[in-house]
Amino acid sequence: KQEVTQIPAALSVPEGENLVLNCSFTDSAIYNLQWFRQDPGKGLTSLLLIQSSQREQTSGRLNASLDKSSGRSTLYIAASQPGDSATYLCAVRRLTGGGNKLTFGTGTQLKVEL
Amino acid sequence: DVKVTQSSRYLVKRTGEKVFLECVQDMDHENMFWYRQDPGLGLRLIYFSYDVKMKEKGDIPEGYSVSREKKERFSLILESASTNQTSMYLCASTRSGSSYEQYFGPGTRLTVT
Repeated sequence: KQEVTQIPAALSVPEGENLVLNCSFTDSAIYNLQWFRQDPGKGLTSLLLIQSSQREQTSGRLNASLDKSSGRSTLYIAASQPGDSATYLCAVRRLTGGGNKLTFGTGTQLKVEL
Repeated sequence: DVKVTQSSRYLVKRTGEKVFLECVQDMDHENMFWYRQDPGLGLRLIYFSYDVKMKEKGDIPEGYSVSREKKERFSLILESASTNQTSMYLCASTRSGSSYEQYFGPGTRLTVT
């Protein structure tokens, strides 16, 4: 059974700092990996998706890497801002008979302080 | 722009009531999902559907059923609500045969008293 772990569970940094969020998974037979952001009481917003054949994806100040063989992904946030404060979730995808299933980590709660 | 909507943001129901949560997507996606999210447990998959009238159990289907009569609509049904079903419920959808990037609705906070 796939298990996804995110460390740390919570992180507080000063504005402007570069930071790395970690995600590890136990079964490397994944189709792809997706990073999400969730604001309090809201749904999830997709940030980046990395296919299993890719090593990294970038969007603005965000860069996600994937090392499938070791079961690890990182989300790098450059020059953090207070608006980045949210919970960040990673999820790994496998294909099923007719569709696909995601297994989620429990998230890293990020606070960026002025 | 991709859009997944859920019928209610907040819902309060009594124990034993039958509860319907509705989800609609306007992207012509084949796959739709219902999750619940609880502190410390993360998101857990209740049911998913990869086509109209098709459904598969997720990790925690007990106490729930689903209905997908039209491609754009996926309903979650609590046959007899219980207090342990108090949670945040999230609906999502993906397109088949692609990256399967998943798009989420805003969530329904259900309280069962």
